[in-house]
Amino acid sequence: DTEVTQTPKHLVMGMTNKKSLKCEQHMGHRAMYWYKQKAKKPPELMFVYSYEKLSINESVPSRFSPECPNSSLLNLHLHALQPEDSALYLCASSLPGDGYTFGSGTRLTVV
Amino acid sequence: KQEVTQIPAALSVPEGENLVLNCSFTDSAIYNLQWFRQDPGKGLTSLLLIQSSQREQTSGRLNASLDKSSGRSTLYIAASQPGDSATYLCAVLKTSYDKVIFGPGTSLSVIP
Repeated sequence: DTEVTQTPKHLVMGMTNKKSLKCEQHMGHRAMYWYKQKAKKPPELMFVYSYEKLSINESVPSRFSPECPNSSLLNLHLHALQPEDSALYLCASSLPGDGYTFGSGTRLTVV
Repeated sequence: KQEVTQIPAALSVPEGENLVLNCSFTDSAIYNLQWFRQDPGKGLTSLLLIQSSQREQTSGRLNASLDKSSGRSTLYIAASQPGDSATYLCAVLKTSYDKVIFGPGTSLSVIP
């Protein structure tokens, strides 16, 4: 298995909703990442988990809450989002210092 | 602070042309460089990964070179096809435990 699987592919949520994005990989990668991407811009790093521990938080607002329950799974919990949080959310994984493998993303729309 | 730029920002070519995309980085002390392709609204697909000790990598019609001393990498696409139309991003990793720095991308359109 050489894929990073993200669910759901599309998500529409209201500003008072709570939802979660899920990311899964079975490549034995010990680093996992969340990125946010706006249209026509490169991905922006949000969080890095290394060996299931949060190692980088790029000053992301607390309405985004990451979780890494095990070495294969990464979640992003969303609460009280704003319309400007609408974007493509990408998950990636890697072995330390190796190339990144990205998922296909979750298109999030906040209404 | 590492900065990554890509030239050109956009490129439109007729089918069959050979083309070169450029990536420049300001700090030559890199661990690796990776080229990605992104179709509209989709995730990133890895094309080629070049470790700092390597000078080039090839996959099919794609060839990527790396010149650390000048802070440059090029992606060469041979015999371009309409299916190559996408945004191409280069990404630089400084150390094995650092974060990747992305360039802004080159939007490629191959006209049939």
